[in-house]
Amino acid sequence: DTEVTQTPKHLVMGMTNKKSLKCEQHMGHRAMYWYKQKAKKPPELMFVYSYEKLSINESVPSRFSPECPNSSLLNLHLHALQPEDSALYLCASGADTQYFGPGTRLTVL
Amino acid sequence: RKEVEQDPGPFNVPEGATVAFNCTYSNSASQSFFWYRQDCRKEPKLLMSVYSSGNEDGRFTAQLNRASQYISLLIRDSKLSDSATYLCVVYSGGYQKVTFGIGTKLQVIP
Repeated sequence: DTEVTQTPKHLVMGMTNKKSLKCEQHMGHRAMYWYKQKAKKPPELMFVYSYEKLSINESVPSRFSPECPNSSLLNLHLHALQPEDSALYLCASGADTQYFGPGTRLTVL
Repeated sequence: RKEVEQDPGPFNVPEGATVAFNCTYSNSASQSFFWYRQDCRKEPKLLMSVYSSGNEDGRFTAQLNRASQYISLLIRDSKLSDSATYLCVVYSGGYQKVTFGIGTKLQVIP
């Protein structure tokens, strides 16, 4: 019943692959977020888009590249990832109250 | 001192018990407060916002104490389905200022 959708649900990729994660929301929120969550840890903020402009980049390595094609869509492009990048990647939208998508569980081999 | 602190637990309680979690925050300028629930391998879901006047939603009651800089969550008549990790979230203004606590794990036992 979440109004934030993410695809794919699961992704396995090699260290030389290029892949993209996608997120979509239809709640009219003007801020969207990417978080990374490792097991037994809280979500860690990676990027924030506000009115389709990147407003926050929490010193994330350049192998992660966000893109916001329009106010409803958010992508995360992945290239040359490391095994330690394996995690649950969560998209969220909203302002102080954030609504999360179901996440993409990423495994890097 | 961490910005948002929670006891990670686990809290193991029998069905029907009342359980309370606290969360302390260090930034006195913090503006909004929330409890999220996260089931294993799922996304966090908003449980409730927390107001100074306190708020209740069924078996759940949340309180904010600005003077002592903590928020609390009380769960009455615990159900097996309440087993989850409860994340305290503090918003301090600006899109980047959402801070998560480490989460408190609750296990309700039959």
